[in-house]
Amino acid sequence: EDKVVQSPLSLVVHEGDTVTLNCSYEVTNFRSLLWYKQEKKAPTFLFMLTSSGIEKKSGRLSSILDKKELFSILNITATQTGDSAVYLCALYYGGATNKLIFGTGTLLAVQP
Amino acid sequence: GAGVSQSPSNKVTEKGKDVELRCDPISGHTALYWYRQSLGQGLEFLIYFQGNSAPDKSGLPSDRFSAERTGGSVSTLTIQRTQQEDSAVYLCASSFSGIRETQYFGPGTRLLVL
Repeated sequence: EDKVVQSPLSLVVHEGDTVTLNCSYEVTNFRSLLWYKQEKKAPTFLFMLTSSGIEKKSGRLSSILDKKELFSILNITATQTGDSAVYLCALYYGGATNKLIFGTGTLLAVQP
Repeated sequence: GAGVSQSPSNKVTEKGKDVELRCDPISGHTALYWYRQSLGQGLEFLIYFQGNSAPDKSGLPSDRFSAERTGGSVSTLTIQRTQQEDSAVYLCASSFSGIRETQYFGPGTRLLVL
């Protein structure tokens, strides 16, 4: 079965810290890897990564994909309490398979 | 509205009863997905609709689960004879047919089966 593993499962930091969230996977024939932020119920889209080694940035958040080592990381610099959420990564295969395969997520808590 | 909407936001039901959950996708999105998120678990794919094509039902956990999408827009997920293990948040998402990986999620329906 396709497997997407996120680590750590949970993380508590203080405002201003930098965090790195990991997403590793065991398959290679996917089209893209996506990161979502889930604060209450609805996950909101952060990044879509399709090529290895190309960093995507949005403000204090950045992400990169390593297709050789089969992982992606999400970095958040200068964390704020509003960054507290569950961060989900997912694989998208495309073609006839249009579903997203999600990891279990990393719960990030940013303390003042 | 601008985003995906779902109703009800919360539903409490008794074991054995049927429930219907509704999803209204973003206007113009032809692809629609249902996912389930149980406590402490990641999102689990249930079913996918694309235009008039036959839906991908490969994620439905049992024949008690079914879904329809009428007129290529609103979708209803029906769970018959609910069981306690059906308790979860049911999330709907939609996307453009050309960019199906960028799925926009609704706020979900939290279902509790007593």
